[in-house]
Amino acid sequence: DTAVSQTPKYLVTQMGNDKSIKCEQNLGHDTMYWYKQDSKKFLKIMFSYNNKELIINETVPNRFSPKSPDKAHLNLHINSLELGDSAVYFCASSQAGREGQPQHFGDGTRLSIL
Amino acid sequence: AQSVTQLDSHVSVSEGTPVLLRCNYSSSYSPSLFWYVQHPNKGLQLLLKYTSAATLVKGINGFEAEFKKSETSFHLTKPSAHMSDAAEYFCVVRSYNTDKLIFGTGTRLQVFP
Repeated sequence: DTAVSQTPKYLVTQMGNDKSIKCEQNLGHDTMYWYKQDSKKFLKIMFSYNNKELIINETVPNRFSPKSPDKAHLNLHINSLELGDSAVYFCASSQAGREGQPQHFGDGTRLSIL
Repeated sequence: AQSVTQLDSHVSVSEGTPVLLRCNYSSSYSPSLFWYVQHPNKGLQLLLKYTSAATLVKGINGFEAEFKKSETSFHLTKPSAHMSDAAEYFCVVRSYNTDKLIFGTGTRLQVFP
């Protein structure tokens, strides 16, 4: 009955590789997000999608490509991984258009680049 | 532009004593404000939210926050700390014209026995 689920939870890989992180929500929300949390715990939005349409793209390198096959899924593909990509990536979802509607977060994917 | 500033990076309290985590906000509009908690190796859990209704907001686990427009503050409090409250706490404002959340830098709460 997990609301927002991400896989994998841990990802350790070599520099230069390509990897994907998957996210699924069963809350019936129409908007999904990707956030990056750095080593100092600072959280910053990367992307948001509403009904499969890209809404927010926060000056993220184009090595990062989100894909939303339907409104319940938002995957993140990363090409040519770099050391600076090491972080925790959080997926979130919410229902747009409702004042104060909070975002619900997954447990995060801890990405380590060797 | 909207922003939040968490005034303390670390707060340490003894179990059973009050908790105060401070947050100031900056917004040209009536803001939507949130407090989230992150336990080690876990995701973010919503504690409470303010959306221009009552200025005193009650959340989960005995936490509450008071919206003070005159002071542009949204401090988080709890009367009596529990060991399980030890975590990272984030004050968050929602961007007015998008749905994106703008996070503060976080306050790490330590609770000593």
